[in-house]
Amino acid sequence: LAKTTQPISMDSYEGQEVNITCSHNNIATNDYITWYQQFPSQGPRFIIQGYKTKVTNEVASLFIPADRKSSTLSLPRVSLSDTAVYYCLVGSQDDKIIFGKGTRLHILP
Amino acid sequence: DARVTQTPRHKVTEMGQEVTMRCQPILGHNTVFWYRQTMMQGLELLAYFRNRAPLDDSGMPKDRFSAEMPDATLATLKIQPSEPRDSAVYFCASGNREDTEAFFGQGTRLTVV
Repeated sequence: LAKTTQPISMDSYEGQEVNITCSHNNIATNDYITWYQQFPSQGPRFIIQGYKTKVTNEVASLFIPADRKSSTLSLPRVSLSDTAVYYCLVGSQDDKIIFGKGTRLHILP
Repeated sequence: DARVTQTPRHKVTEMGQEVTMRCQPILGHNTVFWYRQTMMQGLELLAYFRNRAPLDDSGMPKDRFSAEMPDATLATLKIQPSEPRDSAVYFCASGNREDTEAFFGQGTRLTVV
């Protein structure tokens, strides 16, 4: 399983775009990049997954450069309710799902 | 609305007692995960099953923890005997091998006194 590195915490303001970058230098050919979000007192929730280039859904965008050694989760126009911990995971279909420490995002009014 | 159901939501028990946590995965999912979350250690994978067979339980203290899937609709995590250091939130998640996405339950908050 590829190791991931992401910032421990980030602060931003309501209405701003937030970008959280994750490094995964040892990503394997079969690996996907997946992001989860966890609110206090809840289990993690899947946000987005990608393999290369760009993926967008109703919640976020995921940017993956050609070398795939990093990825950036982009949250457009955040609100207070986006305050949560965001986890970047790298693995394939046959891997167990391992969580790191995540990035604690705090949105300020 | 399909969801993973965990029971109980909260459990307070005395040290030395047996604790059993239950999980009903989403119907049709073939993979079940058990995680433990604490402030210090974060989310730790304890065990996971695919098609009811245990694939990996290396994250689980073997002397006191056990995980089983008696059938496709029920997964259990048992601690015997429980210790104060087992106090944590225990999450169950289910998914399909083809998707790599896991759906989490609301968790069981365990307090061992």
